Amino acid sequence: KAGVTQTPRYLIKTRGQQVTLSCSPISGHRSVSWYQQTPGQGLQFLFEYFSETQRNKGNFPGRFSGRQFSNSRSEMNVSTLELGDSALYLCASSLAGSPGANVLTFGAGSRLTVL
Amino acid sequence: DAKTTQPNSMESNEEEPVHLPCNHSTISGTDYIHWYRQLPSQGPEYVIHGLTSNVNNRMASLAIAEDRKSSTLILHRATLRDAAVYYCILRDTGNQFYFGTGTSLTVIP
Repeated sequence: KAGVTQTPRYLIKTRGQQVTLSCSPISGHRSVSWYQQTPGQGLQFLFEYFSETQRNKGNFPGRFSGRQFSNSRSEMNVSTLELGDSALYLCASSLAGSPGANVLTFGAGSRLTVL
Repeated sequence: DAKTTQPNSMESNEEEPVHLPCNHSTISGTDYIHWYRQLPSQGPEYVIHGLTSNVNNRMASLAIAEDRKSSTLILHRATLRDAAVYYCILRDTGNQFYFGTGTSLTVIP
């Protein structure tokens, strides 16, 4: 059974550019959530999608957006990149059902460096 | 918002039990307590979760205080492969995610 696949694994951008990251969940998983991990702030929740709808959103500016497709694959976009956006971006998928009890399966992450 | 607090770091000798604490004093009745761990250069991986009762699986045990304001992840025999950052997470039925600061566990051979 394939795990959660995130692409690209590494990327370098410059300030002001935008970036799109992709996440393919485990087959059958309908919920996809995104996280930002930095040394200073740790793991922070960005947003969660279920059946192509954003179900929850963390405390991030509107430059951070996402979407989910009908096959449950998800993308997140960061526009007008800032140096502080340099981070590991993690995607996790889970089954539908009782949200609180759902187990998350994480991908390996996409490491973004903004110069 | 429900939050968790964990010690920044802990050490354990190999093959000894490890008790990793987590405080979540503002937990609500519908919040599940999840534990994940993250090895270097990897995404977090699931360890265990529970709501009110203590839980056991092949990886660890989860002890939840009676008032649910704290919990403890128990690794029964630490191995070098258990060296990781351990996160205590609260998840509620609204699907909000609250991450703790994580505890970096060092296992000493």
